[in-house]
Amino acid sequence: GQQVMQIPQYQHVQEGEDFTTYCNSSTTLSNIQWYKQRPGGHPVFLIQLVKSGEVKKQKRLTFQFGEAKKNSSLHITATQTTDVGTYFCAGNSNYQLIWGAGTKLIIKP
Amino acid sequence: DSGVTQTPKHLITATGQRVTLRCSPRSGDLSVYWYQQSLDQGLQFLIQYYNGEERAKGNILERFSAQQFPDLHSELNLSSLELGDSALYFCASSVVGLAGSYNEQFFGPGTRLTVL
Repeated sequence: GQQVMQIPQYQHVQEGEDFTTYCNSSTTLSNIQWYKQRPGGHPVFLIQLVKSGEVKKQKRLTFQFGEAKKNSSLHITATQTTDVGTYFCAGNSNYQLIWGAGTKLIIKP
Repeated sequence: DSGVTQTPKHLITATGQRVTLRCSPRSGDLSVYWYQQSLDQGLQFLIQYYNGEERAKGNILERFSAQQFPDLHSELNLSSLELGDSALYFCASSVVGLAGSYNEQFFGPGTRLTVL
């Protein structure tokens, strides 16, 4: 079946270091969404990417959609404690929304 | 506050029992989605309704069923409960775009189900 693989499962960083999570789809996506879930909270929509090669920025967050529309990444520059949580991608393919397993961002004490 | 409400917030029940979770979507959203999230796990899509009709089905067990009513609220029924059904159940709503497309989803706070 169609899958969206998201890696890594966890990433431990020191505050101030960068963080990146990657999503790879087995099929071409019409668009991809990114969500953030804080600990104890519910997922919150961050952004949707639609065009091949699209790059969008939200302050320290940079989202990319691959040229083939099969992969996407979220990069956070200079992480802060407020960035802690799990980041999910969700790809739209063949009338289905397929969720990645999420990447948990953990800030080392 | 996403505008999506879910009740109850917590539910504790025993194996073999049946429960109903309720969701009210954001005003104007016709589409409702149900998700299951086990402890520290990802989101498992269960089912989607659009304006009262089932639109898409995910990994939903036969013991689970859902429906969307004319006022657009939705209920998820879980029966013959097992220990493994303990999880956080989220409802989300969205404005459905063109056929097959998905707009951003707004999630409710979830219902935490504990099966003892």
